[in-house]
Amino acid sequence: NAGVTQTPKFQVLKTGQSMTLQCAQDMNHEYMSWYRQDPGMGLRLIHYSVGAGITDQGEVPNGYNVSRSTTEDFPLRLLSAAPSQTSVYFCASSPILGTANTGELFFGEGSRLTVL
Amino acid sequence: AQKVTQAQTEISVVEKEDVTLDCVYETRDTTYYLFWYKQPPSGELVFLIRRNSFDEQNEISGRYSWNFQKSTSSFNFTITASQVVDSAVYFCALSDFYGGSQGNLIFGKGTKLSVKP
Repeated sequence: NAGVTQTPKFQVLKTGQSMTLQCAQDMNHEYMSWYRQDPGMGLRLIHYSVGAGITDQGEVPNGYNVSRSTTEDFPLRLLSAAPSQTSVYFCASSPILGTANTGELFFGEGSRLTVL
Repeated sequence: AQKVTQAQTEISVVEKEDVTLDCVYETRDTTYYLFWYKQPPSGELVFLIRRNSFDEQNEISGRYSWNFQKSTSSFNFTITASQVVDSAVYFCALSDFYGGSQGNLIFGKGTKLSVKP
């Protein structure tokens, strides 16, 4: 089983460039999310989605866009990269129990992004 | 506010020692879930346990055990007879349903555990 697949695993950008981090899951999970991990900061939620066509902001959404056109895919877009966006990004998915996220997140392997 | 505090930034033990990782949470939800995740040096995040706020029974899984105490808002994690393979960063997390939120997880900053041979 593939689970949650993130691409690319590594990326170097220059300030001002744009890029998209791809995330796909094959578990038919309704809930998907993006976190960033920075040293000493734990994981912070960027954006999340509870189903196709539905997205919402997390704790640190500025500088990022998302869309959810299908259940499987949840890309994260950086429109104009800044050095502060240097981080490791994790995509995660989960089934939804009723209207609540069960919380047992299945994570991708992470994408390490460096912005120069 | 919803918050998870892992006061121990780094812990170093010698193999076979027992070690407890502390987790204290704050929440305004009456129903919530608590979690522990492991991040080994390879970088992936591995789910360890989920605990419902109504279930205060301690849980044991092999060398791992969890102590949930609502009275002190704590959900501590103990590894008995630690092994080198236990070396990892461990994250405690809390579900956030407050104000109509969707149960997104709020993570603590993590505790880095190093187990020396």
